[in-house]
Amino acid sequence: KAGVTQTPRYLIKTRGQQVTLSCSPISGHRSVSWYQQTPGQGLQFLFEYFSETQRNKGNFPGRFSGRQFSNSRSEMNVSTLELGDSALYLCASRRTSGGYEQYFGPGTRLTVT
Amino acid sequence: AQSVAQPEDQVNVAEGNPLTVKCTYSVSGNPYLFWYVQYPNRGLQFLLKYITGDNLVKGSYGFEAEFNKSQTSFHLKKPSALVSDSALYFCAVRGGLTGGGNKLTFGTGTQLKVEL
Repeated sequence: KAGVTQTPRYLIKTRGQQVTLSCSPISGHRSVSWYQQTPGQGLQFLFEYFSETQRNKGNFPGRFSGRQFSNSRSEMNVSTLELGDSALYLCASRRTSGGYEQYFGPGTRLTVT
Repeated sequence: AQSVAQPEDQVNVAEGNPLTVKCTYSVSGNPYLFWYVQYPNRGLQFLLKYITGDNLVKGSYGFEAEFNKSQTSFHLKKPSALVSDSALYFCAVRGGLTGGGNKLTFGTGTQLKVEL
């Protein structure tokens, strides 16, 4: 089975711009979560989607948003980028019948200049 | 609120020696505990989990972890370390069914360095 895929892998944006990151979960996984990883704050939960609905949200400003499509693919959007948004953004998928572990993609490295 | 502590930023061990990476947690309800490993410029790879049952759980690449409810710990272990085990290790907790949904709360990570 193919793993979680994320596109693009690397991205450079300018302050004030917006960005959209994409995640395709493992086939059959319907739950998708997003995490931000920075050297200063570590790994922080952004949000979780299941059945196209946001089920849980972390403590991030409203500039961070996401959505999930009917095929379970997910996107996250960050508007009005700030320098502090530079991070590795990780997507993880989980099968919804038991298991509980999340499988992570390789991440998108976002650099804001 | 749930939390995870990894008290050691770095652990150094000689190849062939046993290794332990420490983790303690705080969560309401029964904990669901996980270990992940991250290699440079990569995402996180799932190693093992504790949900219920036997306190000693075995995972990928010869790793195991011991759940201790009274000490709220979930230490990662391996009997014989390999140089290729050198990486960043994260402990994570998910609250029980009544808390936090599927959100994982991670520790700050422990850099494991295995030397020849």
